[in-house]
Amino acid sequence: DVKVTQSSRYLVKRTGEKVFLECVQDMDHENMFWYRQDPGLGLRLIYFSYDVKMKEKGDIPEGYSVSREKKERFSLILESASTNQTSMYLCASSLGPNGRGYTFGSGTRLTVV
Amino acid sequence: GESVGLHLPTLSVQEGDNSIINCAYSNSASDYFIWYKQESGKGPQFIIDIRSNMDKRQGQRVTVLLNKTVKHLSLQIAATQPGDSAVYFCAENSDQAGTALIFGKGTTLSVSS
Repeated sequence: DVKVTQSSRYLVKRTGEKVFLECVQDMDHENMFWYRQDPGLGLRLIYFSYDVKMKEKGDIPEGYSVSREKKERFSLILESASTNQTSMYLCASSLGPNGRGYTFGSGTRLTVV
Repeated sequence: GESVGLHLPTLSVQEGDNSIINCAYSNSASDYFIWYKQESGKGPQFIIDIRSNMDKRQGQRVTVLLNKTVKHLSLQIAATQPGDSAVYFCAENSDQAGTALIFGKGTTLSVSS
C-alpha cells in the first residue's frame, strides 16, 4: 500500500513559536503538496513542490514556508505561529502531472494558543 | 478567482436511498475531475475520477456525471449505507494551477438507519 505519513496527528503550539510539520511519502512521487482545511472553506493549497529543492506558492502561502531537501520528504514551516493558523493540515503527493494519482496523509491538527 | 464549489453543505438520507452530491465548477479549461471521501479523523480518499472527454463513469455503487455545458459534476451513490457517511469533495485540475488540484468546499453526507 502506498503511504503518505504525517509525523504528528495533533500538535499544540504557542503563539510566536516556529513550527515544523513533516510529511514523508514512500511512493517515489515527484509532486508533493500542503493544504489546510477549515470548516466551510474546504481545502486550500498553501505550497507545492514538483521536484527536490523546487517549490511553488499556492493560494495562501503567507505565514508559511516549505522545504524539500529529499524527494520523499516535504516540510511545512510556520515561521511564527499565530492563532489564525489553527487548522487541519493535509499533505498529499502525486506521481503524474495535472493532479493524477493524488494520495493524502491523515492530517495534522494544529492548535496555536 | 476560479474555484470549484458544491451546491449544498449537508445532505441527509436514509439507509438504502440513492444519494446525489452536486458540484459546480467555473473553469471551462479544466479537463480532469475527481471525487474524494473524507471520514472523520482521516485524510481524503479517492473515490472516482472522470476526464473531460467523458460524460459518465461508473464504479462500484458510485457514478460520476459530468455536464460540461453547464459546468456541473455530480456523484451518485447507490443504496447508501451508514459507512458512506463522510464529507465528499469534488476537485478539478486546471492548467493554471499546474499540477495542483483545486478543491470544492465539501458536502457532509449523513446516512441514518
